[in-house]
This record gives sequence, C-alpha cells and structure tokens, in this order.
Amino acid sequence: DAGVIQSPRHEVTEMGQEVTLRCKPISGHDYLFWYRQTMMRGLELLIYFNNNVPIDDSGMPEDRFSAKMPNASFSTLKIQPSEPRDSAVYFCASSPAGTGPATNEKLFFGSGTQLSVL
Amino acid sequence: RKEVEQDPGPFNVPEGATVAFNCTYSNSASQSFFWYRQDCRKEPKLLMSVYSSGNEDGRFTAQLNRASQYISLLIRDSKLSDSATYLCVVKTGFNKFYFGSGTKLNVKP
Repeated sequence: DAGVIQSPRHEVTEMGQEVTLRCKPISGHDYLFWYRQTMMRGLELLIYFNNNVPIDDSGMPEDRFSAKMPNASFSTLKIQPSEPRDSAVYFCASSPAGTGPATNEKLFFGSGTQLSVL
Repeated sequence: RKEVEQDPGPFNVPEGATVAFNCTYSNSASQSFFWYRQDCRKEPKLLMSVYSSGNEDGRFTAQLNRASQYISLLIRDSKLSDSATYLCVVKTGFNKFYFGSGTKLNVKP
C-alpha cells in the first residue's frame, strides 16, 4: 500500500519566492494534517482538514501561509512570500476517522519536505 | 504553556539497560495518548498507543495517569536499534494531535 506521499523532498529557494508543498494522503483517510518541525519548536500543527474541509487553521503562523485540499487525494501548503525563518521540515499526515479509544486513531506521516529559504 | 512537555534528554544508556521517559500534558479533556518514534531525518511513526490500564508491547511498557496528566514509557533490555527520539502525543476531542518536543535516546554498546 502506498503511504502518504509528499513532494518535493527538498526545496531550496530564495527569500521572497513562492513555495508550494504537495501531499497525497492515504486513500480512504478522512483527515489530513500539515505539521512543521524545527529544532527550536518541535512538531507544530499548522492546519488540518476533515473530508477536504479545513477544520482548524489556528496554527498557521501568518497570512503568508495558506493550505488547500481541492479533493480527497491532494493537498497543498503554500508560502508566499517565503522568509528564512520558514526553513523547516514540513510533514503531511493522514488519519482514518477515529472510531473509538485509541485503536484506530493513528497518524500516518509522509517523508516530509525539507525547506530551506536563503 | 505547551500542550505536551517532555524532557529533551539525551538519555545515554548502555545496551541492556532499562530506561524510562515521562511526559505531562496540560489539557485534562485529552482523549487519547500515544508514543511515536522518530529516527534522524525521518518521519515520526507510531510506537504504541497508551491505555488507561497501562499496556505492554514486548520490551515496551506505557502507563497513563489521568489524575496527574502524566504519561510514561519504559524500555527494558535496550538495543542499539532503540536509539531514536521518542515523541509523546496527545489527542484532543477535536481530533487535534499535539506532539511533545521529544526525548532523545542513545543506546551505546
């Protein structure tokens, strides 16, 4: 079975440029999450979707960040304009709907996108 | 205040040792609890869920204390392959998963 697929694996860009990160969740999963990981702040939840609808975007740092999920098999996280402090690993994760205590509640992560903004 | 707090370590232990990690969480309404493992430059992967009665998976034992809002992970007979960062994870009723910053474990020969 294919897992969560993210692209690109690495992105190097210059300050001010637009960056688009892509994610294909596991087929049949109802939830999609975008996380950012840095040494200083660890894994931070940016936004999550349920059935393609954004549910909570309170973790999105500022208006430069936007995320979309046009269909059940694709999501994007866009940064425009990018800044050096956006440099981090961005993970996408998907999850089936939780049906009870713990048993089916599991996050499946993609391999991440290492973003470097110079 | 962070949702989940962990000691960052590192914990440096010899092979065969027993090591314990702890974490605390701030939201008393949290519903589900997990330990994830993250290898260097890799994605986090579920190690085990944590149940109220405590649970064991081979050399790994997880405990939950809801009254103290405290979660623990015990690793017995440590192997070199256990070297990784262990992330404590808490899920709220809104299906939000909050991660601790992780505890780094180094198992040495």
